[in-house]
Formats: sequence, structure tokens, C-alpha cells
Amino acid sequence: AQRVTQPEKLLSVFKGAPVELKCNYSYSGSPELFWYVQYSRQRLQLLLRHISRESIKGFTADLNKGETSFHLKKPFAQEEDSAMYYCALQGGGSNYKLTFGKGTLLTVNP
Amino acid sequence: SQTIHQWPATLVQPVGSPLSLECTVEGTSNPNLYWYRQAAGRGLQLLFYSVGIGQISSEVPQNLSASRPQDRQFILSSKKLLLSDSGFYLCAWSPIGAEAFFGQGTRLTVV
Repeated sequence: AQRVTQPEKLLSVFKGAPVELKCNYSYSGSPELFWYVQYSRQRLQLLLRHISRESIKGFTADLNKGETSFHLKKPFAQEEDSAMYYCALQGGGSNYKLTFGKGTLLTVNP
Repeated sequence: SQTIHQWPATLVQPVGSPLSLECTVEGTSNPNLYWYRQAAGRGLQLLFYSVGIGQISSEVPQNLSASRPQDRQFILSSKKLLLSDSGFYLCAWSPIGAEAFFGQGTRLTVV
């Protein structure tokens, strides 16, 4: 089965504090993993993907195959980071199914 | 550049009426296409996906169906809507292993 779990529905931090949004996955092969973000009144959009190994808006995510995790981290949260964050998995090979977690609503307080 | 169009943006339909939501993609060929329902606390629930014309994979048994009559057209349908079909529906397209692009969504209210 292909499954993505985001254990936190809500996460609230203060500006300047570190933030970590958790994501665990279940997949038997080698998946492609993504983080998507939805800001208020905007379309869902890609934040980053594990294969790129890049940092976007100060966010990074490392794929840990041993723990089957893909947690999203940022050392110093900003108010504009407040949004809904979704972790997503697409199977490799000929598996085109794109599965999302239930999302985490991040609120960064001033 | 590629764009995705989804309409209508909002829809109010009576119980028992049919439904047709349309999604089209421009600027690419043979995209993978997806229909999701987005609900607070439940995230994005994958309903259907398609890798080619006439090829539909259903993820959740329900009152809805999907069709792909053309390469860049994906339609979500129902013969008779239920109250429980109310929700926010999102269409998306994606190349393999790359970014998925989402439509603006349709807010469906069944009354």
C-alpha cells in the first residue's frame, strides 16, 4: 500500500523559532517524495522535492529511508511561512499514483 | 508554458441531479491527470488518476466516476449526486516524478 502520514494537523510556533513538519510514508519501492504548500487563497504548489536536494524559502527536507520519513525543516520560521503543508509520494517506475498526507497547518506567530 | 483549467469554480446542485466537472491542460501532451477531493482534516483524497486516454484508475469506491475522452481532458461525473458529495474538488496534472500542477478547484454544494 502507498500511504503518507502527517501526524500533526496543527503546528504553531513563534517567529524565529525552528520548525519541523513531520512526514512518514509507507511504500515498498523507491518513491519520489514532495512537499507542497498552500498559502491562503492560493493554489496548491510545489515547495520542494527530495530528488532535487535543494533549499526553498529556507526549507529543507531529507529523505530517511531507514525511518521512512521526509520531515520538512526550517531553522528560523517567518510569519509568511504560515500555510497548509502537504507531504506527497509518487511511486517510482510505472506507478503514477500521487498520494498526499492529510496536511499540517503551520501558524507562525509574531 | 503549461496551464490547467478547471471549471466551474463554484457549483450548487440539488440532490439526485447529475454532475460534470471538466479539467483541461494546455501546453503538454500525454500528461498524468488526477482528481482529488480536499476537505479540512482529511487532506487531499485521491479519487481518480489517468495515464492516458480512456485509462482510469479509481482509488475510492463512491458515487463518482471519471473519464478521459481526449489526451488533455479529464472529467469528473456523477449520475445522481448525494449530499455527501459536497466538497472541494481539485484537478491536477503531472509528468512522472516531477511537479504536479493544480487547478483552481471547484466548490460543490449539494442541496
